[in-house]
Amino acid sequence: AQSVTQPDIHITVSEGASLELRCNYSYGATPYLFWYVQSPGQGLQLLLKYFSGDTLVQGIKGFEAEFKRSQSSFNLRKPSVHWSDAAEYFCAVGGTNAGKSTFGDGTTLTVKP
Amino acid sequence: GAVVSQHPSWVICKSGTSVKIECRSLDFQATTMFWYRQFPKQSLMLMATSNEGSKATYEQGVEKDKFLINHASLTLSTLTVTSAHPEDSSFYICSAWGKRPSDTQYFGPGTRLTVL
Repeated sequence: AQSVTQPDIHITVSEGASLELRCNYSYGATPYLFWYVQSPGQGLQLLLKYFSGDTLVQGIKGFEAEFKRSQSSFNLRKPSVHWSDAAEYFCAVGGTNAGKSTFGDGTTLTVKP
Repeated sequence: GAVVSQHPSWVICKSGTSVKIECRSLDFQATTMFWYRQFPKQSLMLMATSNEGSKATYEQGVEKDKFLINHASLTLSTLTVTSAHPEDSSFYICSAWGKRPSDTQYFGPGTRLTVL
C-alpha cells in the first residue's frame, strides 16, 4: 500500500528565510510524487511533480523539490519565503500521473513578518 | 493550465435532503475524475474514481448508495450526497485528468457542504 508521511504538522519561518518541508513516502514501485499548496477554503494548486529523470525538480513560485530514492523522500524547498507563501502544503504519491494519489496529512506554513 | 470548476462553491442544506455537486473540466476532456473529501485541518481522502461512461469505483468504506457519482460526459461529473446528515458536512474536491493535457490531474476549487 502506498502512504505519505509529512512529519511536520506546523512550521513557522520568518519572511525571507529559507524553507524546507519534509515528505517521506512508501510505494512499491517507481513513484509519481507531487507537492500541492492549498490556501484556506480553496482547492489545490500543483507546485511541482516528479515522474522520472532529474531528481531535482523546479516548480512554480520559486519552489523546488529533490527526490531521494535511498531515503524515500521528496522534500520541498524554497530559498526565500514570502508572506504570501503562508498556506497548507500537501505531498502526494501515485502510481501514474492519472491514477489516484495518496496525500500526506499536510504541513501548515506560517510566515512571520 | 487546465481549468476545473465546481458548483456550487458553498451549500447549506437541511438534514435528510439530497445535494448535487458538479465538477466540470472547462477546457479539456476529462476521461477520469476523482472525488475527494476533506475535513477541517485534515488531508484529502479519496472517495471514488469515475471514468466517463462507466460506473464509479469507490474506495473502501465509502457508501456508494449515499454518494452517487455520475460521469455522464467528458466534461462533467456529479456527486450527489443523498439523505445528507450533519456528519456529511465537509469540503468536497474533485480533480480531473484527460488525454490532453496529460501531465497531471487538475483540481477544482472545492465545495463546502454544511448540513444542518
